[in-house]
Amino acid sequence: DTGVSQDPRHKITKRGQNVTFRCDPISEHNRLYWYRQTLGQGPEFLTYFQNEAQLEKSRLLSDRFSAERPKGSFSTLEIQRTEQGDSAMYLCASMTSEGATGELFFGEGSRLTVL
Amino acid sequence: GNSVTQMEGPVTLSEEAFLTINCTYTATGYPSLFWYVQYPGEGLQLLLKATKADDKGSNKGFEATYRKETTSFHLEKGSVQVSDSAVYFCALRGGTGGFKTIFGAGTRLFVKA
Repeated sequence: DTGVSQDPRHKITKRGQNVTFRCDPISEHNRLYWYRQTLGQGPEFLTYFQNEAQLEKSRLLSDRFSAERPKGSFSTLEIQRTEQGDSAMYLCASMTSEGATGELFFGEGSRLTVL
Repeated sequence: GNSVTQMEGPVTLSEEAFLTINCTYTATGYPSLFWYVQYPGEGLQLLLKATKADDKGSNKGFEATYRKETTSFHLEKGSVQVSDSAVYFCALRGGTGGFKTIFGAGTRLFVKA
């Protein structure tokens, strides 16, 4: 399977704990995006990378959230001191550098439940 | 900033009915417009796109035309099937919004046999 893969698929944690999600994009894709989706809403942009460089981060993103893509391949999204409001589906997507016209390829998401 | 507004769901139709899901956008510059679909239990996938004004995107019997004068990108299908039941997201990227894709809230479609 050469699609976007995310791990873990589901994480249940207690408030205050740290969690980390991993995304493996399609291998030739140099752009990688993280989104958050809550029930009944569309994906909300969090951040994106071009290769290993983090080029944009949502102003709505708390400083408890950090993302890395150290070698320009896989990426991690860490949430520190989780809160119940962080419960959501975290989506990763990748694409080639086609400017504004290219297609995003999504993983199946990592669902976070904060108790 | 850039934004997308789409009609609220759910939309419930009988098989072979005509479908329209409205989408309007706010953007500066010349964004590309997309429809993504999420089938039950699956990830989002691109359904169709249009990259400039008056372009028509089409796929699987669905169509949408990029209307700059009305800032709209309405999704249509002449005859829906039960297998079209899914959540549909209108989205845009580009213009002055850079390389992030902005999504609407999604419209859930139920098609009854």
